[in-house]
Amino acid sequence: ILNVEQSPQSLHVQEGDSTNFTCSFPSSNFYALHWYRWETAKSPEALFVMTLNGDEKKKGRISATLNTKEGYSYLYIKGSQPEDSATYLCAFETGANNLFFGTGTRLTVIP
Amino acid sequence: DTEVTQTPKHLVMGMTNKKSLKCEQHMGHRAMYWYKQKAKKPPELMFVYSYEKLSINESVPSRFSPECPNSSLLNLHLHALQPEDSALYLCASSQELGGNNSPLHFGNGTRLTVT
Repeated sequence: ILNVEQSPQSLHVQEGDSTNFTCSFPSSNFYALHWYRWETAKSPEALFVMTLNGDEKKKGRISATLNTKEGYSYLYIKGSQPEDSATYLCAFETGANNLFFGTGTRLTVIP
Repeated sequence: DTEVTQTPKHLVMGMTNKKSLKCEQHMGHRAMYWYKQKAKKPPELMFVYSYEKLSINESVPSRFSPECPNSSLLNLHLHALQPEDSALYLCASSQELGGNNSPLHFGNGTRLTVT
């Protein structure tokens, strides 16, 4: 089992604040890095799949960067809203959808 | 709403029972997965089917038996489970096995309690 670490484990921010969290993964056998958003009582929803070192992807107020050489990815949320409250999971893919998930960062946005 | 449907949502079973979890998708995805998630732990891969054939089996105990009757359906048959098997069981699908454009699409999960 590969070690995928996410930090912080949980985070509380005020509405309107921008925030970011980290996913660390092994720098060898890299195939792709996935980010998922998981709201309570719902299913995890894919945000991004990134494969290239230096990749930067954006979806609305959420963006992510990737550094495969040093083994980390950042997820940024600009101007957090209460509806952004969720657990954000990253997953390291070694090939053929063999994904290893982190334990997630639980974000709470306070109105 | 998720496009991957899992039933039942909740299941309580005794250690001598036999039950099945069901998963269905109609997105034309060719890969389907079972994940197990215990509280405060990351989801762990159990089984992967690609084109209805078992592709990855992560050394899961034989009391869990997967079945893929067709490309839209995935079952997980449960028999003689232990209390430590209590967890959230997530089904997922993807367009293909691997690839840049193959994010996983998850169901809402089945919350299983073994008594």
